Formats: sequence, structure tokens, C-alpha cells
Amino acid sequence: KNEVEQSPQNLTAQEGEFITINCSYSVGISALHWLQQHPGGGIVSLFMLSSGKKKHGRLIATINIQEKHSSLHITASHPRDSAVYICARHTGNQFYFGTGTSLTVIP
Amino acid sequence: NAGVTQTPKFQVLKTGQSMTLQCAQDMNHNSMYWYRQDPGMGLRLIYYSASEGTTDKGEVPNGYNVSRLNKREFSLRLESAAPSQTSVYFCASKISGMGGEQFFGPGTRLTVL
Repeated sequence: KNEVEQSPQNLTAQEGEFITINCSYSVGISALHWLQQHPGGGIVSLFMLSSGKKKHGRLIATINIQEKHSSLHITASHPRDSAVYICARHTGNQFYFGTGTSLTVIP
Repeated sequence: NAGVTQTPKFQVLKTGQSMTLQCAQDMNHNSMYWYRQDPGMGLRLIYYSASEGTTDKGEVPNGYNVSRLNKREFSLRLESAAPSQTSVYFCASKISGMGGEQFFGPGTRLTVL
């Protein structure tokens, strides 16, 4: 069973807006991953979190282990951020993925 | 470093045909994975190999077989393709253990008619 829920499913933002994508899960994890899938289909890993917060450029990922919830924030969004953002829980040897949030940033 | 490579990029099969999807990584990773991605479903694990010489079923293994040929290569075989296996297939690898991110191949788009 997947048990990784993301919201929203789709998101349209104006360039420069602050964006938040949410992920919740219901079982214990080794780590929570955020990935980005570009329109061409390629998938790259953005963050791996087991606690706290991580920042890379304009992207910030946070996790609350007690609440089983993670968020991905994008500050000063840009059209090149348009992509599908996927969260995945890592439990044991396996990964379980959310269905993704499709983000479109309009100039 | 090429990272994770997959062949072919595209394939069209007729129902009942067989084929093998190839995956190779040059990052000396122990763990390798095969996923399928369908619209609205997210990535789902077909099979994985935690280390050379071992393979295990994932969430959706029916209709597939795998071979971990060596540390670098992990192939996925469809013995008798069905239209329900039309999907985009991704191979991924990671260093073993609890930590580490996954590195994905570019994907194979398979259509079964």
C-alpha cells in the first residue's frame, strides 16, 4: 500500500510567488525524499530528509517526524521550476512514491 | 560518469511478444530498482536488487522477471507482453543501506498493442 499523499495535485503560480507542496505518510520511515521530474521525463533527487530542514538554493524541505508530514517550499518561483514534484518515503529497502504535484510557473 | 543508462528509450510490442529492458550504472552502487510509472499512479516498484546476487519482488511484480547480471547491470524481462504493461519504465540505483538518494535512468517508454 502506498500511503504517501501529496497536495495539491496541480498548482499554478505567478513568477516570484512562494510555493508550498505538502506530503504526508502514515508509517515509519528511514528517510523522506523529494524528487523533481521535468517535462522531458527525467527524474532527479532534490532532498533526502530524516529530520529538520534542508536548503538548496531557492528550495527548502522540512519534515516533522512526529506528525509524519513534510513540505517542499520554493522561494521566488521561476518558470524553470515548472515540473512535477514527487515525495517518496524510504522504508527498509523500498521506496513508496506519492502521485506528484504538477507545478506550472507563469512568467 | 554516465550515471544510470537504460536501453531502449522507446519500444512498441505486440501482445504476447517478449523483450528485455537493460539497465546499467557506473557509480558502484549495490542497490538497483525497476519502477513503472503510469498516469495518476506515481512510481511503483516492480523488483529490486539490494545487492549483487539478490532480487526481491516489489509492489507489482506479476508478468515480469529480473536478472542482476553483475554489480553494474540489472535487466527487466517481459516474457509475454500485455497491454496492461504499457507504461514508462525507470531503473534506479543507490548506495546500499538506510541512507543515500536514488539515481534514475532516463526511462523506457513501452507500448504494448
